Amino acid sequence: AQSVTQPDIHITVSEGASLELRCNYSYGATPYLFWYVQSPGQGLQLLLKYFSGDTLVQGIKGFEAEFKRSQSSFNLRKPSVHWSDAAEYFCAVVGGTYKYIFGTGTRLKVLA
Amino acid sequence: DAGVIQSPRHEVTEMGQEVTLRCKPISGHDYLFWYRQTMMRGLELLIYFNNNVPIDDSGMPEDRFSAKMPNASFSTLKIQPSEPRDSAVYFCASRIRDTQQFFGPGTRLTVL
Repeated sequence: AQSVTQPDIHITVSEGASLELRCNYSYGATPYLFWYVQSPGQGLQLLLKYFSGDTLVQGIKGFEAEFKRSQSSFNLRKPSVHWSDAAEYFCAVVGGTYKYIFGTGTRLKVLA
Repeated sequence: DAGVIQSPRHEVTEMGQEVTLRCKPISGHDYLFWYRQTMMRGLELLIYFNNNVPIDDSGMPEDRFSAKMPNASFSTLKIQPSEPRDSAVYFCASRIRDTQQFFGPGTRLTVL
């Protein structure tokens, strides 16, 4: 069965510091992988996606993620965090059923 | 395109009342999803449609919940009767096949 694990419920970083949010998935084949961001009171916005090809994908707002098949991971990174990045981040995997399986989310707090 | 449209954005009702949430997917999208988000349970898939046909409703919590998609441009999620534990943010999302999912802004439901 498909599953997604985001081990960190909360992460706090200082503005300007680097960021890495972890995502591990379970799926028998190569999945489609996504990162979404949700600002308070808002819907989910797509940051980036991986379907195939280059394992390092670039997204919006300066985010990138790397697909590592050997580790079943798809971690999200940003070299320098801005205060406006404070939000909740969701990793998702899609398998053959076209159903998205979302992780439980990581809430990011940014210190000035 | 205006994106996925949901109405109302906020709904406050009393226990026992019927609640109807509405969604207009992006034109041309053939999949439509209803999610519920709470602090305790995170983002849960309730039901999804493909070409207006319900494919998987295993996430619908109980018989008080029902969803319909009478045509490609409209879907409803109905709760009858509503209970305080139904208070949550309900999201609608749509997409074409295995591409990225677009989320609506959500309906914040409060059942008193």
